[in-house]
Amino acid sequence: AQSVSQHNHHVILSEAASLELGCNYSYGGTVNLFWYVQYPGQHLQLLLKYFSGDPLVKGIKGFEAEFIKSKFSFNLRKPSVQWSDTAEYFCAVNALYGNKLVFGAGTILRVKS
Amino acid sequence: NAGVMQNPRHLVRRRGQEARLRCSPMKGHSHVYWYRQLPEEGLKFMVYLQKENIIDESGMPKERFSAEFPKEGPSILRIQQVVRGDSAAYFCASSPPFSRAPQETQYFGPGTRLLVL
Repeated sequence: AQSVSQHNHHVILSEAASLELGCNYSYGGTVNLFWYVQYPGQHLQLLLKYFSGDPLVKGIKGFEAEFIKSKFSFNLRKPSVQWSDTAEYFCAVNALYGNKLVFGAGTILRVKS
Repeated sequence: NAGVMQNPRHLVRRRGQEARLRCSPMKGHSHVYWYRQLPEEGLKFMVYLQKENIIDESGMPKERFSAEFPKEGPSILRIQQVVRGDSAAYFCASSPPFSRAPQETQYFGPGTRLLVL
């Protein structure tokens, strides 16, 4: 069965600090990978996704993620966070040709102004 | 272009009552997914439906929970005889029909927060 592990449940950063949120998955086959963000009081929005091709994926709002197949990882990064990045971030995976998304437990990011 | 719509946004039920959660997919989307988010946990897959068909219900509890996506109208997640443990956020997502790509991104609605007293 697939599973997704997000290493930190709470992260607190100051504005302009760099961000890296870890995500590891367990699945032996080909996968599709996603990062979703949930701002306070809002629904989940897609930040970025990886289906195939360049393992470095650029998303919205200056976020990027790198798929490292050998490490089963898909870490999310942003060079300089803003107060408005305060949100909960979810890593998710589904198997190629599968349908259900398997989510990590989420990481709550708080950015101090 | 409206996104995925869910209603109600908040629902309060007493133990033993029924809860009905509705989801209208994005225009042009024919696949609907339901997920549940318990406090302090990530989203857990419940069921995947296409129009008039349940494709995968491997995440649905065996009793009291059912889902449908009729030919006309929204998808409904129905919880009979609710218990306190059903209190959670229930999210619906939709995706377009699979085309040339093997996968399509799922777009989420705002969720329904169910509170069982």
